[in-house]
Amino acid sequence: QSALTQEVSVSGTVGQKVTLSCTGNNDNIGSYVVAWYQQISPGAPKTVMFGNALPSGIPDRISASKSGTTASLTISGLQSEDEGIYLCSSWDSSLSGWVFGGGTKLSVL
Amino acid sequence: QVQLQESGPGLVKPSQTLSLTCTVSAGSISRGDYYWAWIRQHPGKGLEWIGYFYYTGSTDYNPSLKSRVSILIDRSSNQFSLSLKSVTAADTAFYYCARAPWIQERLPFDYWGPGMLVTVSS
Repeated sequence: QSALTQEVSVSGTVGQKVTLSCTGNNDNIGSYVVAWYQQISPGAPKTVMFGNALPSGIPDRISASKSGTTASLTISGLQSEDEGIYLCSSWDSSLSGWVFGGGTKLSVL
Repeated sequence: QVQLQESGPGLVKPSQTLSLTCTVSAGSISRGDYYWAWIRQHPGKGLEWIGYFYYTGSTDYNPSLKSRVSILIDRSSNQFSLSLKSVTAADTAFYYCARAPWIQERLPFDYWGPGMLVTVSS
């Protein structure tokens, strides 16, 4: 069972806006920066959001926010290339290590 | 930009030691502004942090694996390695090395290696 809780699956149509959530507690999300990764199987996680910063090459259709112990990733103007599994992660002070969400499978219909 | 690349045997026998190396290019592992770590992902499952090292030589490991894991550093080759002892089929997973920035606070991973599948089987 993952330390951070994410929806199992989310779907949207091309052009739509979707929001993914990632819920933790005050040992992780409530106290530390959250990153979001896109993983297309097979393959390594690709950073799509680092805190509120977009890595180079990531479209500005993607934004992030955090409220208390829940982080959110919003993708506007959904495109087929956005499909994949999205994972969230942050440092956890009780583990003294990094924790991850179980991942949300985003499908673009 | 920094690149990380995992290497090592893709097949390990049960009870033996899994050994992987991460080679870092375009970035020194001896800089004080990054942590370097190993993470694994069981097929079809979520990610699990294994352990990390800091340029001072300090290391820490996931308590669930601590008794079997060690991370070693080769500064001259700009590499760090993972050693996981007494493996079983439950250690079959994709293994990734990654970098986490340190700017006066613990930050998530920003760069990852492509990963490699290690299968434990006789």
